[in-house]
Amino acid sequence: DTGVSQDPRHKITKRGQNVTFRCDPISEHNRLYWYRQTLGQGPEFLTYFQNEAQLEKSRLLSDRFSAERPKGSFSTLEIQRTEQGDSAMYLCASSLAGTGNSGAFFGQGTRLTVV
Amino acid sequence: QKEVEQDPGPLSVPEGAIVSLNCTYSNSAFQYFMWYRQYSRKGPELLMYTYSSGNKEDGRFTAQVDKSSKYISLFIRDSQPSDSATYLCAIGVLTGFQKLVFGTGTRLLVSP
Repeated sequence: DTGVSQDPRHKITKRGQNVTFRCDPISEHNRLYWYRQTLGQGPEFLTYFQNEAQLEKSRLLSDRFSAERPKGSFSTLEIQRTEQGDSAMYLCASSLAGTGNSGAFFGQGTRLTVV
Repeated sequence: QKEVEQDPGPLSVPEGAIVSLNCTYSNSAFQYFMWYRQYSRKGPELLMYTYSSGNKEDGRFTAQVDKSSKYISLFIRDSQPSDSATYLCAIGVLTGFQKLVFGTGTRLLVSP
């Protein structure tokens, strides 16, 4: 399967702990996005990378959140000092800039539960 | 007012029916439009992508865009129980970093 891969699929953590999620995009895609989805809502944009550069961050991304894409390939999203309000599905998507752009493709998501 | 409005449903139809799903948007800068299907506890799956007004067809699916009315639709012909899912519209600007703005999703139930 050469689609977008996310790990882990599920994460349960205690409030106050740090968590890190990984995303492996489609190999030739140079754009990578993180979204968050809560129950009954559509995904909300968190942040965006073009290659290794983080070019945009949403106001939803508090300073407890940090994302990296060190070599322009995989990306990590870390949440420090988790809160119950962080419980959500975290989705990663990738796309190809330029004439080959045919839409953004999502992974299966990481479901985070903060207890 | 939300940038993208979508009726959450649920929309219940019998197998074989034609389904119409719709979104409205407020920002005329939006230039490209996607429809995603999302099964429970799964990631969104891209169904259709278009950036022009008019119709685009792919199998049983037709996406329709009316930029003058800021209205987009997805039609599903000969609906099947396997089409039961949440359908999300997603809209973005063509320039820049292509942030997508999603509707809340419409839950579709197709009964055999």
